[in-house]
Amino acid sequence: SQQGEEDPQALSIQEGENATMNCSYKTSINNLQWYRQNSGRGLVHLILIRSNEREKHSGRLRVTLDTSKKSSSLLITASRAADTASYFCATSQSTGANSKLTFGKGITLSVRP
Amino acid sequence: GAVVSQHPSRVICKSGTSVKIECRSLDFQATTMFWYRQFPKKSLMLMATSNEGSKATYEQGVEKDKFLINHASLTLSTLTVTSAHPEDSSFYICSARDWRTNYGYTFGSGTRLTVV
Repeated sequence: SQQGEEDPQALSIQEGENATMNCSYKTSINNLQWYRQNSGRGLVHLILIRSNEREKHSGRLRVTLDTSKKSSSLLITASRAADTASYFCATSQSTGANSKLTFGKGITLSVRP
Repeated sequence: GAVVSQHPSRVICKSGTSVKIECRSLDFQATTMFWYRQFPKKSLMLMATSNEGSKATYEQGVEKDKFLINHASLTLSTLTVTSAHPEDSSFYICSARDWRTNYGYTFGSGTRLTVV
């Protein structure tokens, strides 16, 4: 079953606007991560938030985590055309060497110049 | 930062042949690597966890004899798709954990496999 479920599944915004993407999950987690994927390419790690954290910032990225609601959001401020990509949330239930990531279905973000 | 190199980026093969995909950690040692499969406009599906020096752990529903994984060194894991069929056509991605980067996973650039 899908652990992470992002919404919306597709988002189209104008350059300069903020983009907010949400992710919900079902089981308890150790951490939640957001990744970006350009078409036909591998994934790039954006940001990680631990289960005991509520908010984290990295440049134009802001991620929140609400473990009571089992949800997270990724905010990209002042979006640029280069932000156009697919974004995935992924959860991990442990920190051990073999801990697996479970990915959501992804959100396709289009930023219009 | 951590770099994972995956080759080839694209491969076309005939039905019935086997294809090997390599995943290398370039500047760190990876005792564990992960292999994913991704269908168009879909999420990543974990196929197996590759452990250096031991057998891979396959996810439910993934045929171990079909998708052979070898992790012979701390920097190299290979996925061999044996007796490939058109339904094996997909995007395959590997990833590895670099313990220096505080839980983050580094992904290869993926391999687009087309079986004709």
